[in-house]
Amino acid sequence: EAGVAQSPRYKIIEKRQSVAFWCNPISGHATLYWYQQILGQGPKLLIQFQNNGVVDDSQLPKDRFSAERLKGVDSTLKIQPAKLEDSAVYLCASSRSRSSYEQYFGPGTRLTVT
Amino acid sequence: QKEVEQDPGPLSVPEGAIVSLNCTYSNSAFQYFMWYRQYSRKGPELLMYTYSSGNKEDGRFTAQVDKSSKYISLFIRDSQPSDSATYLCATPYGGSQGNLIFGKGTKLSVKP
Repeated sequence: EAGVAQSPRYKIIEKRQSVAFWCNPISGHATLYWYQQILGQGPKLLIQFQNNGVVDDSQLPKDRFSAERLKGVDSTLKIQPAKLEDSAVYLCASSRSRSSYEQYFGPGTRLTVT
Repeated sequence: QKEVEQDPGPLSVPEGAIVSLNCTYSNSAFQYFMWYRQYSRKGPELLMYTYSSGNKEDGRFTAQVDKSSKYISLFIRDSQPSDSATYLCATPYGGSQGNLIFGKGTKLSVKP
């Protein structure tokens, strides 16, 4: 079984630029999550999808962050415009359903905003 | 209140030592607790999960929950250099197993 795929692995941008991250979850997993992990911190949930619908985006800074999950499979997370404090690792995870306790994480995208 | 506290370490132990990793939580409504392991430049992976109070053992790993003191622990017996990683405790909130709140993680180094 292939794991969660993410790209790019690394990205360096200047503040006020935009950036997009891509995630391909494990096949058949209905639930997809995006987390932000700042250095020295645990992951913080940004948004949760069930199929192609948003379940929870209460911690997503909606003035600059957006996410979508087309056709209930792949997902993209966008930041526009980026701020210095957005420097972090962005992790995508998937699980079979919302009631599943096990989430499978991708390797993450390390974003540096200069 | 959504809060899980974890000492970030770092923690350095010799190979073969027993390791104790701990977290405290503030909300008595939390019932499920997970331990994730995160190697450098990798995503977290689930090690163990427990429900309510008590112990759960899996090989060299034992997870323990004390709900009366809101304290969760992970013990690693016969630690190996391959156990060197950051260990994150987590618990779901808001009625969904998926909405996890994580501790900051404890960085463990096992020296050969």
